[in-house]
Amino acid sequence: EPEVTQTPSHQVTQMGQEVILRCVPISNHLYFYWYRQILGQKVEFLVSFYNNEISEKSEIFDDQFSVERPDGSNFTLKIRSTKLEDSAMYFCASSRVSNSNQPQHFGDGTRLSIL
Amino acid sequence: DAKTTQPNSMESNEEEPVHLPCNHSTISGTDYIHWYRQLPSQGPEYVIHGLTSNVNNRMASLAIAEDRKSSTLILHRATLRDAAVYYCILREYSGGGADGLTFGKGTHLIIQP
Repeated sequence: EPEVTQTPSHQVTQMGQEVILRCVPISNHLYFYWYRQILGQKVEFLVSFYNNEISEKSEIFDDQFSVERPDGSNFTLKIRSTKLEDSAMYFCASSRVSNSNQPQHFGDGTRLSIL
Repeated sequence: DAKTTQPNSMESNEEEPVHLPCNHSTISGTDYIHWYRQLPSQGPEYVIHGLTSNVNNRMASLAIAEDRKSSTLILHRATLRDAAVYYCILREYSGGGADGLTFGKGTHLIIQP
């Protein structure tokens, strides 16, 4: 069964550095998402992306975050200048279409640790 | 978004059925009821969804109350691998746009061998 893959599984970065998290969505999916989960807390929606532009974003997704689909297969989340509070699991998800009748398929996440 | 309420945790024995409840008294007529689960150290995983009628798939069954103000996820024969946090999520009908899922705290399901 096709799956969403994320790399790296664990990223350790110094505070203030830029970090790029990578995702390969399921190949025939058109909608892409990033979520984060701070340790012990809820999964939180960050941003969705369709047709090479942001479709929806949450309050968390401020100017230090950006997303890109640099080629036909990868979907990336960039954090420009990391802060200690950016430490979390980051999950990528994709869906074939976007409506309330369709599931989102998640990767197993990247654990981001900011020192 | 309409809110859901789930018990914080439930415990069951292996090979027995499990009924996970969810209350959503403010659900609107076009909201779909989705269930996801999150196994330890993994991303959320889609389980099942429905609108009005009960639904079955290879993973579980979803029983939806007639007034749609509550639903129950049924695992027919729990295994140790079903130990996870289960999330009940309402999704508003959207004709376009990629809406994000709103996760609550979910129900932590513990399976005893």
